[in-house]
Amino acid sequence: DADVTQTPRNRITKTGKRIMLECSQTKGHDRMYWYRQDPGLGLRLIYYSFDVKDINKGEISDGYSVSRQAQAKFSLSLESAIPNQTALYFCATSDRGRGLQETQYFGPGTRLLVL
Amino acid sequence: QKEVEQNSGPLSVPEGAIASLNCTYSDRGSQSFFWYRQYSGKSPELIMFIYSNGDKEDGRFTAQLNKASQYVSLLIRDSQPSDSATYLCAVNTGFQKLVFGTGTRLLVSP
Repeated sequence: DADVTQTPRNRITKTGKRIMLECSQTKGHDRMYWYRQDPGLGLRLIYYSFDVKDINKGEISDGYSVSRQAQAKFSLSLESAIPNQTALYFCATSDRGRGLQETQYFGPGTRLLVL
Repeated sequence: QKEVEQNSGPLSVPEGAIASLNCTYSDRGSQSFFWYRQYSGKSPELIMFIYSNGDKEDGRFTAQLNKASQYVSLLIRDSQPSDSATYLCAVNTGFQKLVFGTGTRLLVSP
């Protein structure tokens, strides 16, 4: 079984709809991240959480919100989806205890299309 | 200036050759550096990390770090068609977040 899972894997929605993307991990990591990836722009950080009570905005948080329901679960919400939020979304996790070797491990991604 | 820069490519090499992928970064306080491989439509997967100046080898892969020049590279020896992918350089600037480059697309021809 995959260590980091994302649901749904694909989603088509309409402008103005609220949607939620979910991420779960069995790696036991305390840190979780949400990224979006657009062609030519690379991976951009939306939100990150270093533990259940610590949630921080990334470089492109406008239009998004998150919830860390448990150490293993981190959800991303688009309150009112717009077409320029069409992208590939990745969840990632990392282990604080690894120091300089702290590595982020990615889920399989959610492909979102906003019409 | 972007924090992490990579040539977008594509970098084309014949099978069996050495592929050299380069990355420069702007923050001198950067502490650790990561190379990820990403196949089209798939998630990034870690190849290796490096945090000390010099070379680090893992199988066919060698990462090279030069902090004075703010430069990190990845060498792939005996390149295979299955190595064709986008290679992402990521830098930990010390705030426990990774900053990613936009990636270099590598094409290995049989």
